[in-house]
Amino acid sequence: GDSVTQTEGLVTLTKGLPVMLNCTYQTTYSPFLFWYVQHLNEAPKLLLKSSTDNKRTEHQGFYATLHKSSSSFHLQKSSVQLSDSALYFCALKRTQVVGQLTFGSGTRLQVYA
Amino acid sequence: GPKVLQIPSHQIIDMGQMVTLNCDPVSNHLYFYWYKQILGQQMEFLVNFYNGKVMEKSKLFKDQFSVERPDGSYFTLKIQPTALEDSAVYFCASSLGQDTQYFGPGTRLLVL
Repeated sequence: GDSVTQTEGLVTLTKGLPVMLNCTYQTTYSPFLFWYVQHLNEAPKLLLKSSTDNKRTEHQGFYATLHKSSSSFHLQKSSVQLSDSALYFCALKRTQVVGQLTFGSGTRLQVYA
Repeated sequence: GPKVLQIPSHQIIDMGQMVTLNCDPVSNHLYFYWYKQILGQQMEFLVNFYNGKVMEKSKLFKDQFSVERPDGSYFTLKIQPTALEDSAVYFCASSLGQDTQYFGPGTRLLVL
């Protein structure tokens, strides 16, 4: 079946530094990748999404590029802020199909002043 | 952005009792989902629902689980009877089509 791997459980950084959260996936179908961000006691909110190979997508200072050759969709930001502290989930769906999302285990980003 | 509401936010019940979790999806959305997240683990798909029917379900969607959306009101997840291992956060989501799923804040269920 489909799977998503997020290798870091916790990432701690000082504000102003760059960050990259890793996401790799496995599927035999055409992939649609998502990044969701979840602040404490809030709903997971969509941050980024892409099904286009090798095209960078950006939102709110975060960016990611789907690389089908390496099955990756890493999330990056050039300068983190205190408000970026949250739980980040990478998720996979099969393109052209209404269906389930397969989630990674999540990465908690903690930004310090 | 579009908001999905979930009621209640927390629920504590005794093992063996019935519980109904309510979801108010985005008003024009057609597809509805439930996900389960046990503390410290990843969110896992339970079931999705369209046009009054279950479209697909995972192995986590036990026989004790049922979903419905009577007359366009709340999309509900009912567990009857509950078991200790049903303790988790249950997230509802909805989507207009094949694309983005919008999530609610979750219902924290504790089965004693």
